[in-house]
Amino acid sequence: DSGVTQTPKHLITATGQRVTLRCSPRSGDLSVYWYQQSLDQGLQFLIQYYNGEERAKGNILERFSAQQFPDLHSELNLSSLELGDSALYFCASSVGSREGQPQHFGDGTRLSIL
Amino acid sequence: QKEVEQDPGPLSVPEGAIVSLNCTYSNSAFQYFMWYRQYSRKGPELLMYTYSSGNKEDGRFTAQVDKSSKYISLFIRDSQPSDSATYLCAMSQINTGTASKLTFGTGTRLQVTL
Repeated sequence: DSGVTQTPKHLITATGQRVTLRCSPRSGDLSVYWYQQSLDQGLQFLIQYYNGEERAKGNILERFSAQQFPDLHSELNLSSLELGDSALYFCASSVGSREGQPQHFGDGTRLSIL
Repeated sequence: QKEVEQDPGPLSVPEGAIVSLNCTYSNSAFQYFMWYRQYSRKGPELLMYTYSSGNKEDGRFTAQVDKSSKYISLFIRDSQPSDSATYLCAMSQINTGTASKLTFGTGTRLQVTL
């Protein structure tokens, strides 16, 4: 058990809808990262937050947004969903924000768009 | 061309064999190297973490980094059926900022047979 908790485990919805994925980091970790895993692209970095502030952005679509709350949990919001958004979404956490920090992953949310 | 290349496998070996898993990369700024193990329907689990070049050993696992060749390896000795999983290499580069995103290989699927 990595200590990173993601909910829900599975989400099934339709095109055009909006969903929210939730992540609680390991106790003591201040950084949260979101990754998308698809069969053809592998694990792709989306966005990083550290202690409530956005620190880095990767290949995150404008339809996607995230935030980290004062209790350090994070939410990833996906809107105007398309079939291609079907993927596994992982959250990871680390103690600090600097490069080279070991990241620990949750078990992901599997998103299926019908 | 992807920044990190990894043979997807599958790689099938008999129990007790030595397994060699490899990644090559193109970005010379990568300084931190990690190996993750991912079981089906689970998140990536951090196995090994190394900085710059050299070897690191932990139990049956040995990680090697050759920065001159831009090549990293993970060796598994006395492989067990429980080692059957997908193995992902991941890297992080030195930045002037504080971003610490990981760049992943696509993963090698390993099957250890009885």
